[in-house]
Amino acid sequence: NAGVMQNPRHLVRRRGQEARLRCSPMKGHSHVYWYRQLPEEGLKFMVYLQKENIIDESGMPKERFSAEFPKEGPSILRIQQVVRGDSAAYFCASSHLALKETQYFGPGTRLLVL
Amino acid sequence: GIQVEQSPPDLILQEGANSTLRCNFSDSVNNLQWFHQNPWGQLINLFYIPSGTKQNGRLSATTVATERYSLLYISSSQTTDSGVYFCAVEAGNQFYFGTGTSLTVIP
Repeated sequence: NAGVMQNPRHLVRRRGQEARLRCSPMKGHSHVYWYRQLPEEGLKFMVYLQKENIIDESGMPKERFSAEFPKEGPSILRIQQVVRGDSAAYFCASSHLALKETQYFGPGTRLLVL
Repeated sequence: GIQVEQSPPDLILQEGANSTLRCNFSDSVNNLQWFHQNPWGQLINLFYIPSGTKQNGRLSATTVATERYSLLYISSSQTTDSGVYFCAVEAGNQFYFGTGTSLTVIP
């Protein structure tokens, strides 16, 4: 059973460009969570999604950031008009419908904004 | 949100030594997990432990939910144990992470 997949693993963007981060949850998992980790810090919750629904986006900046988890395909975290402060590691986690407390993390996407 | 504090922030051990990492949290939580983030950045689940005690090889964890803390024990440490150890507690729809304990095990 493959684990949580994220791609790309590394992403370099110039200021003002768009970044699209993808997350494929573990097979059978329908809950997806996105976290951001700044250097030397812990992970900060951004958004929690179920298929086709955003459940909690209280940790996501109101501007430039959006997330989706369509019926088919991976979850996407989209950052528009990136700024240098967006440079961070972005982790996705997934959990099973009935065991939503146990989260399994992907390898992360390291975003660098030049 | 819930405050999660971990101690110590940094720890250096000689290979073979034992250690105890602590996680305090400010409010009642539904669940608690311990993670190891290795030097390559990957997060590895160690324990899902909302209460009680669990053991897995050289690692064990105890959570006392009524007193709002959890402990992670590492025995006979190895260099591969190096990295950052995070505890995360769940309340509502999200996990709140502590700032981590950075462990370095030297040969």
